Amino acid sequence: QVQLVESGGGLVKPGGSLRLSCAASGFTFSDYYMSWIRQAPGKGLEWVSYISSSGSTIYYADSVKGRFTISRDNAKNSLYLQMNSLRAEDTAVYYCARDGGQLVTGFDYWGQGTLVTVSS
Amino acid sequence: EIVLTQSPGTLSLSPGERATLSCRASQSVSSSYLAWYQQKPGQAPRLLIYGASSRATGIPDRFSGSGSGTDFTLTISRLEPEDFAVYYCQQYGSSLLWTFGQGTKVEIK
Repeated sequence: QVQLVESGGGLVKPGGSLRLSCAASGFTFSDYYMSWIRQAPGKGLEWVSYISSSGSTIYYADSVKGRFTISRDNAKNSLYLQMNSLRAEDTAVYYCARDGGQLVTGFDYWGQGTLVTVSS
Repeated sequence: EIVLTQSPGTLSLSPGERATLSCRASQSVSSSYLAWYQQKPGQAPRLLIYGASSRATGIPDRFSGSGSGTDFTLTISRLEPEDFAVYYCQQYGSSLLWTFGQGTKVEIK
């Protein structure tokens, strides 16, 4: 079965860095586009970043552009989010999600999320 | 950027009742790229509807989606106890952005 497992969250000071990972299993990872989506405590969902199946196409939300970097390693079935210059407003649960592709035009599988807290 | 506005913010209903949730876009959205998600406390969102009206795998047929252009609707025909949750609409647009509505909470009356 499809599984996405995030890791790497934690407490970090403003201006600090953190690298999130998402381990994928149960499907051919290299066939799918992937995204990071976050949810601040008690708030709604915010899309953060997208990466194509090969990694050649990448998009970011304006709120993280220039500070966050998405990447993937298809050999390791893994997705990453390097987060630099973190701010208090980046505090959120970060989910990795699979884009269902041409046939299922939505995020069809999500991980359980990893909490990032930015605080001094 | 396309803004999605969901209404109402909270819907108070009893099990067995019909729920109608609205999602209005600030500009026209391709029906192919309008989705609905359900989220329960402490859980990740779950895809319910994609392409405005297609049910995702394993989603009961009491959930249905409709609409086009700027107005979309999620209907739950008869609420089951497990359906009380927060629901989000989401679109993918030409500006290469994915945006979500702010959510509608369906609570037990």
